[in-house]
Amino acid sequence: EVQLVESGGDVVQPGGSLRLSCAASGFIFDDYAMHWVRQAPGKGLEWVAGISWKRGTVAYSDSVRGRFSIPRDNAKNSLYLQLNGLRAEDTALYYCAKATSSAYLSDAFHIWGQGTMVTVSS
Amino acid sequence: QSALTQPAAVSGSPGQSITISCTGTSSDIGVYYYVSWYQQHPGKAPKLVIYDVTNRPSGVSNRFSGSKTGNTASLTISGLQPEDEAHYFCSSYTSTTTPWVFGGGTKLTVL
Repeated sequence: EVQLVESGGDVVQPGGSLRLSCAASGFIFDDYAMHWVRQAPGKGLEWVAGISWKRGTVAYSDSVRGRFSIPRDNAKNSLYLQLNGLRAEDTALYYCAKATSSAYLSDAFHIWGQGTMVTVSS
Repeated sequence: QSALTQPAAVSGSPGQSITISCTGTSSDIGVYYYVSWYQQHPGKAPKLVIYDVTNRPSGVSNRFSGSKTGNTASLTISGLQPEDEAHYFCSSYTSTTTPWVFGGGTKLTVL
């Protein structure tokens, strides 16, 4: 069974940093692009970042570029999201998502984890 | 303000069909066939129901179908069932500096 489990969410002060993790199982991890998508409380979905190890491509939304990074460790079947310079508007549930069928960043978000909550507040 | 425009709410009775629209631009829906739709029940993670405009993932009911004309994509749910009541989000790959965008979401109520 394909499974994604996020962790690392916490309450952090503005300007602080946090590292989220996504543990993947049930599929060949480096065959697929992986993404982070967030959802602020009571709001819609917002794509944050994506990575294709096989294709060597990384992409970020305009709202997080320069503050967030999306490393992955294929040996550990894990995806990460490094969040720096956090702002109140970054408060959200952060989901890890696996692409549908390939390593292309243009593939849709097929399998989702349950999310990990990040709250930015003083 | 979301990059893709969806109606805030739609409703239908059990057994009826409904269509949710998703309007974008010539930088996203108008130029790519990478349009997807997600169903989200309260407190749950989103679930992919349509990808690449018209394709259904394995296990998704054939009551769900997708289409695209110009800059607008549509999700149609036929034979509405109570469990279809949820929020639905569209998404598209884009040629802009933010490669993926979502719509603001549509709340479907099954009366």
